[in-house]
Amino acid sequence: AQTVTQSQPEMSVQEAETVTLSCTYDTSENNYYLFWYKQPPSRQMILVIRQEAYKQQNATENRFSVNFQKAAKSFSLKISDSQLGDTAMYFCAFMKLYNSGGSNYKLTFGKGTLLTVNP
Amino acid sequence: EPEVTQTPSHQVTQMGQEVILRCVPISNHLYFYWYRQILGQKVEFLVSFYNNEISEKSEIFDDQFSVERPDGSNFTLKIRSTKLEDSAMYFCASRGQIGSGQFGTEAFFGQGTRLTVV
Repeated sequence: AQTVTQSQPEMSVQEAETVTLSCTYDTSENNYYLFWYKQPPSRQMILVIRQEAYKQQNATENRFSVNFQKAAKSFSLKISDSQLGDTAMYFCAFMKLYNSGGSNYKLTFGKGTLLTVNP
Repeated sequence: EPEVTQTPSHQVTQMGQEVILRCVPISNHLYFYWYRQILGQKVEFLVSFYNNEISEKSEIFDDQFSVERPDGSNFTLKIRSTKLEDSAMYFCASRGQIGSGQFGTEAFFGQGTRLTVV
């Protein structure tokens, strides 16, 4: 079974600064996806960024980027130029992939990191 | 932009009562999920549904739970006899076709239904 660990229950950052959220995972799989989801106070889960395990290049989406270290099973999220609207719970998630049918592609989540951006 | 919609947004029920949580997934999606998040805890997988049947369920998804896609558009989660510990936010999610040779597409989540059992 896969496990996802987020070791930072809470973090804070000043507006416009950069913050990094950490995530490690444990799996014996070789083909998988990793995701960061954001959950603002409205509670909806919003995809921030995803990384395919077979890609060495780190994914980037505007101010969000990841540092994916496959050998170390590490997947950190960097938020640059933090904005007040980035205040949310951030969840790291793992999705196993199969090459044949029958997979359900479920997500396994970490416990989350509550990020507060201060003005 | 297509979205997953869930109703109701908040439901309060008496312990022992049956509840049905409703979801309308994105129309061309094929994989459907229910997840649960107890207040202050992580999001947990409950069940996945594909090709009109359950493809996987977690230990949480016991005989009190059932899912159904009754009319090709709605996807429901039923809890037959609610317990206090069923109080949580329930998220529905759907996913499109995983193409041959491709590695996945994102899961789209609904806004959640907050279930309070009293």
